[in-house]
Amino acid sequence: TQLLEQSPQFLSIQEGENLTVYCNSSSVFSSLQWYRQEPGEGPVLLVTVVTGGEVKKLKRLTFQFGDARKDSSLHITAAQTGDTGLYLCAGAHARRALTFGSGTRLQVQP
Amino acid sequence: GAGVSQSPSNKVTEKGKDVELRCDPISGHTALYWYRQSLGQGLEFLIYFQGNSAPDKSGLPSDRFSAERTGGSVSTLTIQRTQQEDSAVYLCASSRTRLAASTDTQYFGPGTRLTVL
Repeated sequence: TQLLEQSPQFLSIQEGENLTVYCNSSSVFSSLQWYRQEPGEGPVLLVTVVTGGEVKKLKRLTFQFGDARKDSSLHITAAQTGDTGLYLCAGAHARRALTFGSGTRLQVQP
Repeated sequence: GAGVSQSPSNKVTEKGKDVELRCDPISGHTALYWYRQSLGQGLEFLIYFQGNSAPDKSGLPSDRFSAERTGGSVSTLTIQRTQQEDSAVYLCASSRTRLAASTDTQYFGPGTRLTVL
């Protein structure tokens, strides 16, 4: 059973466009992390959100944690080709392993 | 070391053979995790080591899978009698403190791509 659903699964856009990736669950998490993974490499942590309703910005990336701490979104403004990759959300429960979503593969065309 | 390292980077084996995958975590990190990733998919938790505590093996898919962590550092994931469905990328990660603390960061290695023919 996939506890974290990500949508869309695949996204292909032109450079300069905006996009939003969603991460949804029926479970409450103590925190939620977003990772980006490039081919042949392991995931790299982008951000951790902890408080319900929290919004964090990382340059052109905006991360939001839902008020109920069950969902999150990642918004990218003016996408660049360097944003291409697999984006993974992961929910944390105390004393348990991270639960990863199925991922969103983003392709930014020049 | 500078980061988490894994070896081999690629492993091709025949169905029924045993394989060993190695992970060298970041020096000083007490927690070590193994995950499995099917092509372009999310990560599936396998096993977790924290210091001298008993490992959390709740994610191991079958008794063909086992893992050790010697001296609190290097870890080896062993798959016995490999099956074609074991083909995946096996990722190792380490972190400084306890499992999934709210702000704990896991640092991932590049993975071992296992192909079972």
